[in-house]
Amino acid sequence: QSVLTQPPSASGTPGQRITISCSGGDSNIGKNTVSWYQHLPGAAPKLLIHRSNQRLSEVPDRFSGSQSGTSASLAISGLQSEDEAEYFCATWDNTLNALVFAPGTKVTV
Amino acid sequence: QVQLRESNAGVVRPSETLSLTCSVSGGSLSGGGYYWSWVRQSPGKGLEWIGFVYYGRGTQYNPSLKSRVSISVDTSRTQFSLRLNSVTAADTALYYCARGGGNGNSVYHFDYWGQGTLVTVS
Repeated sequence: QSVLTQPPSASGTPGQRITISCSGGDSNIGKNTVSWYQHLPGAAPKLLIHRSNQRLSEVPDRFSGSQSGTSASLAISGLQSEDEAEYFCATWDNTLNALVFAPGTKVTV
Repeated sequence: QVQLRESNAGVVRPSETLSLTCSVSGGSLSGGGYYWSWVRQSPGKGLEWIGFVYYGRGTQYNPSLKSRVSISVDTSRTQFSLRLNSVTAADTALYYCARGGGNGNSVYHFDYWGQGTLVTVS
């Protein structure tokens, strides 16, 4: 049972914009930055966003991250079929003294 | 380009010790600034951070595994290793090594990952 929660699934049509939420608490998202990953079956997770809103240079600018209070969000605009994957967030938890991952959101296009 | 690759552990018997090595190329373990980590994913479950080694500073482990885990940098300084003792079926998982970024004793993200290696406890 993770201290972070995400909706188990999200879906959209090509070209649409979707948002995935990541909810935590005062000891994790409330105090630390969040990273977001894309995970395709059989592949290693791929870092998309770090420090809550810093996109890696090789990541399309369709992906964006934000953080407010004890929640964070990943937005995917101009949804494409290749975006079908699992997405999960992660952050450090000051109480658990551990990095924690959310269970992940399966995105269907 | 940094590349990481896990060794194969295959099947480990219950109560024995799981040992994995991560070979790093394109980057230096001794260069400092990175949190060389292990992460696992049990079948049908989410990801779990196991711990990291920060060269020259020490290690940090997930409290849920701390009593059984050890991570170290090999003398070659091109590999780091994971040892998990007294394994049970609950330790069956896909194990990843990864390079992390963070601050102090906290790791915040992983920018490079290995492909993962499946370990079965049976």
